[in-house]
Amino acid sequence: NAGVTQTPKFQVLKTGQSMTLQCAQDMNHEYMSWYRQDPGMGLRLIHYSVGAGITDQGEVPNGYNVSRSTTEDFPLRLLSAAPSQTSVYFCASSPLDRVEGQPQHFGDGTRLSIL
Amino acid sequence: GENVEQHPSTLSVQEGDSAVIKCTYSDSASNYFPWYKQELGKRPQLIIDIRSNVGEKKDQRIAVTLNKTAKHFSLHITETQPEDSAVYFCALNQAGTALIFGKGTTLSVSS
Repeated sequence: NAGVTQTPKFQVLKTGQSMTLQCAQDMNHEYMSWYRQDPGMGLRLIHYSVGAGITDQGEVPNGYNVSRSTTEDFPLRLLSAAPSQTSVYFCASSPLDRVEGQPQHFGDGTRLSIL
Repeated sequence: GENVEQHPSTLSVQEGDSAVIKCTYSDSASNYFPWYKQELGKRPQLIIDIRSNVGEKKDQRIAVTLNKTAKHFSLHITETQPEDSAVYFCALNQAGTALIFGKGTTLSVSS
């Protein structure tokens, strides 16, 4: 198993450009999520999904869109990139448990710079 | 939404000393409390977790304690080693599986 795979690993964008960060997992996990990590801010939840066709907002959803058409893939879209979105983005997945939390498996991250 | 306060933000110890990091929270519905370690440039990795029906859990030099009444949980690392130097994050679940993280503690272990 490859686990959680994120592409690209690095990206530089100009303000106003659009981009999709890819995330795929091969563990048949129902739950997937996106976090951004900024210095001194920890990991903040952007969006999450409890299964194909179902997504929900996290703590910092503004400026980001997601969709979940398959169990394996959970792409994150920036429609019009802003310098404030410069960050490291992590995708994570786990089995779904509606009662208790589950250990999250993280990808290696995408380092995104917006000029 | 849920707020997780993590202290201290930085912690420096001598090799062999113990290190303690504490997190407090407000949502009494949270029932899963993991700790993650992140080395520079790497992904966060789970090191230990505890569920609400347990007060303490140990794994070799690492232990986690949970006080649900007072709404706080702590990470204890004994006999620290230089390779323990990293950023440590506490987390807890909100609405089932979604994890909310603290802001992190940078632990430095000097030999």
